[in-house]
Amino acid sequence: SQTIHQWPATLVQPVGSPLSLECTVEGTSNPNLYWYRQAAGRGLQLLFYSVGIGQISSEVPQNLSASRPQDRQFILSSKKLLLSDSGFYLCAWSVRDSYNEQFFGPGTRLTVL
Amino acid sequence: GENVGLHLPTLSVQEGDNSIINCAYSNSASDYFIWYKQESGKGPQFIIDIRSNMDKRQGQRVTVLLNKTVKHLSLQIAATQPGDSAVYFCAEKMRSGGSNYKLTFGKGTLLTVNP
Repeated sequence: SQTIHQWPATLVQPVGSPLSLECTVEGTSNPNLYWYRQAAGRGLQLLFYSVGIGQISSEVPQNLSASRPQDRQFILSSKKLLLSDSGFYLCAWSVRDSYNEQFFGPGTRLTVL
Repeated sequence: GENVGLHLPTLSVQEGDNSIINCAYSNSASDYFIWYKQESGKGPQFIIDIRSNMDKRQGQRVTVLLNKTVKHLSLQIAATQPGDSAVYFCAEKMRSGGSNYKLTFGKGTLLTVNP
């Protein structure tokens, strides 16, 4: 069966510090991968998606970047965090070339102080 | 702005009652919709989906209805239980450049089940 992991589960970082969130998927090959941000009491905003290694599409301009160094690894980064980067970050995957059901990870709660 | 939205941000029901959560969408070309359940502090979980060539689909205790005429989607939960308390999101599949698509999520409805 497929599983998706995210770490860390929670993170508190000062403004201006760097960020690296990691997501890995097991039990499937060549997945589409996604990063979402969810502000408190709000819906999910798609940040990045990837259809393959090294292929990243950005949905909204922001202070964050994403990379996919391996087929089942997706990383969300920032060089300098802003207060507005606080939120709940969710990684998801879907079957390659299927943009239907997405399977979500447990999320990372990021607080920028 | 978002193309998928929810009519009621909160819904409170008694245990054992049926729940109905509504969602409106604006893109008449959308051909696939999903309902997700998100418990506090967790990632969303798939509940049920429906394609635009259907108007009703049933799962275990859940039914999704699609009315393409008025671009409306609803999730019905039968015999609601305390474990159903969560935020429910509808999502719509939309084109995102070239041959790629993305899911666009509504803001969510908080369902509270009272014992």
